Amino acid sequence: DTGVSQDPRHKITKRGQNVTFRCDPISEHNRLYWYRQTLGQGPEFLTYFQNEAQLEKSRLLSDRFSAERPKGSFSTLEIQRTEQGDSAMYLCASTTGRKGISYNEQFFGPGTRLTVL
Amino acid sequence: AQRVTQPEKLLSVFKGAPVELKCNYSYSGSPELFWYVQYSRQRLQLLLRHISRESIKGFTADLNKGETSFHLKKPFAQEEDSAMYYCALKGVSNAGNMLTFGGGTRLMVKP
Repeated sequence: DTGVSQDPRHKITKRGQNVTFRCDPISEHNRLYWYRQTLGQGPEFLTYFQNEAQLEKSRLLSDRFSAERPKGSFSTLEIQRTEQGDSAMYLCASTTGRKGISYNEQFFGPGTRLTVL
Repeated sequence: AQRVTQPEKLLSVFKGAPVELKCNYSYSGSPELFWYVQYSRQRLQLLLRHISRESIKGFTADLNKGETSFHLKKPFAQEEDSAMYYCALKGVSNAGNMLTFGGGTRLMVKP
C-alpha cells in the first residue's frame, strides 16, 4: 500500500497519560499535515511540516501537544497529560508541495482514534 | 478569519432524485473551494475542486462569489453516492495549503 499510513488505528488511554501517534506519508511527499476531527465535526487543522520544518501551528495545538518530523519522512504527534476533551480522530495528510501550483491534493491517512477515559 | 458552513447534517433522498449539498463560506479574499468525500470505512478523499470546473462521478459544483456558496449537485443520485461530504476552503494567501473544513453532510440515498 503506497498511501498514507497511521499507527495505531485506535488508542484507549486513561486521563493524564501520554500518547504518541505516528504518520508515514506517501514517500515523495514533502508536506505533512495533522488534523483533528471530533464527533460530528469536520477535520480541524493542527499543524504542518515542509520537510522537517514545522511551519505553522494552529491555536488548537496547546502546549500539551508536540509534533515532530525529524528526518522529513514520518511524523509523530504526542499528547501529554491527556484530557477527556482530547478524544477525537487524529488525521494525517501529505502532499507534494510542488512550487508554482496553487493547490496540491492532500492525501489522507485512515486516522488514529483516541479515546481518553 | 475563514469559515465553512454546511447547514445540513443529514440529507436523505431516493435513488434517481436530484441532490444538492449546500456549502457557504466566509473569507475576505478569493478562496479556493473543494469537496471531499468519505465513503463508509474508507479514508477522506478529494472529490472535486472549483478551479478544475469538472464533473466527477456526475457531481458538479459552481463557485458563486456573490452568494459565497459552493453547493454540490448531482441530477440523479445513486445508492453508491451515500457517504459523508465535506466542503473545504483554502485561502489564496495560505502558502501552507491548510484546509478549513465544514462540519460535513451525510448523504443517504435510499433504493
